[in-house]
Amino acid sequence: NAGVTQTPKFQVLKTGQSMTLQCAQDMNHEYMSWYRQDPGMGLRLIHYSVGAGITDQGEVPNGYNVSRSTTEDFPLRLLSAAPSQTSVYFCASSYSVGTVLAKNIQYFGAGTRLSVL
Amino acid sequence: AQSVTQLDSHVSVSEGTPVLLRCNYSSSYSPSLFWYVQHPNKGLQLLLKYTSAATLVKGINGFEAEFKKSETSFHLTKPSAHMSDAAEYFCVVSESAGGTSYGKLTFGQGTILTVHP
Repeated sequence: NAGVTQTPKFQVLKTGQSMTLQCAQDMNHEYMSWYRQDPGMGLRLIHYSVGAGITDQGEVPNGYNVSRSTTEDFPLRLLSAAPSQTSVYFCASSYSVGTVLAKNIQYFGAGTRLSVL
Repeated sequence: AQSVTQLDSHVSVSEGTPVLLRCNYSSSYSPSLFWYVQHPNKGLQLLLKYTSAATLVKGINGFEAEFKKSETSFHLTKPSAHMSDAAEYFCVVSESAGGTSYGKLTFGQGTILTVHP
């Protein structure tokens, strides 16, 4: 089982460049989400999806777009990168939504370390 | 709204001595609580979870945590630290009811555990 796969592992961008962080899961999970991790702040939710075609904003959505065309994939797009987006990004997934989701484990990818110069 | 406070940003112990990582939470509804561990440059791994069953929860690698509603705490303990326990630990709350917050994880700021020989 591959679990949650994130690519790339590392990326360096210049201010204003765009890129897509990829996230794929092979567990047929309905729920997928993106977090960013900054020192001393834990992980903060960027966007999430409760199923194909359904996405919503989390705590820190500005500067990021998402889409969910398939159950397996949940890419995160940076349209115009800024130094403030330098961070480690984690994708997570879980096999249920709604009230049941809260009690269930979310599985995390290994992360993408992004630097914006 | 839900929130998590990890009371220590750094904890240092000697190998073989007990570990205590403190976590207080705030939640409008019955919460589910988790502890995740992150080793350097790795993703997050679930240690244990509480979802309204037994208040003393046992996890992997000898860790356990006790849910105390009266104190709104969910402290993580281990009787005897091992060098391999050195990592960053996150206390996480997930609301199980109310609005559209199902399954959204709120992370504490993290506690870095250092284990000395």
